[in-house]
Amino acid sequence: DTGVSQDPRHKITKRGQNVTFRCDPISEHNRLYWYRQTLGQGPEFLTYFQNEAQLEKSRLLSDRFSAERPKGSFSTLEIQRTEQGDSAMYLCASSLDGQSNEKLFFGSGTQLSVL
Amino acid sequence: AQTVTQSQPEMSVQEAETVTLSCTYDTSESNYYLFWYKQPPSRQMILVIRQEAYKQQNATENRFSVNFQKAAKSFSLKISDSQLGDTAMYFCAFRGGYQKVTFGTGTKLQVIP
Repeated sequence: DTGVSQDPRHKITKRGQNVTFRCDPISEHNRLYWYRQTLGQGPEFLTYFQNEAQLEKSRLLSDRFSAERPKGSFSTLEIQRTEQGDSAMYLCASSLDGQSNEKLFFGSGTQLSVL
Repeated sequence: AQTVTQSQPEMSVQEAETVTLSCTYDTSESNYYLFWYKQPPSRQMILVIRQEAYKQQNATENRFSVNFQKAAKSFSLKISDSQLGDTAMYFCAFRGGYQKVTFGTGTKLQVIP
């Protein structure tokens, strides 16, 4: 299967710890997105990349959050000094560039629980 | 900023019946794209249907169709002949130009046998 994969599927951490998530997009996809989703809510945009360039970052995102896509392939999302409010599902999606009606392909997400 | 509103947090429908999920959006752009995504209980989101704003004809994908009313900024999803596998969260989404995709808060649809 060559879909979007995310690792880990679940992460439990203590408040104040740092966590890092990984996303491997579909190989030919240029765009990669990170979203956060809490139970019963829609995905909230965090940031997105065009190849290795980070094009937009949500203003709601604190400076504890950072994302990278160093070679335009996989991406990492790091959360420093985690807080209980960071508990959520973190979704990664990828798409081909060039079409505004492009379809997003989502991974299964990383469920973060901050204790 | 674009906003997407789904005013029906939960809906239910009998198997084989038809159901319509509502979505409204707000934008000042003239060229944009609208989507409906489905998120089953397993949580991997998939695209159901999409609509380009410049197209007057409503999109259709098998049992799924939309009613796109550009002037009213309304984009509803109709599911015909509902099946048990249609049970999921449904998210309406908006994209202007080459920007990010903005999602609504979702409608939880339960198909009842």
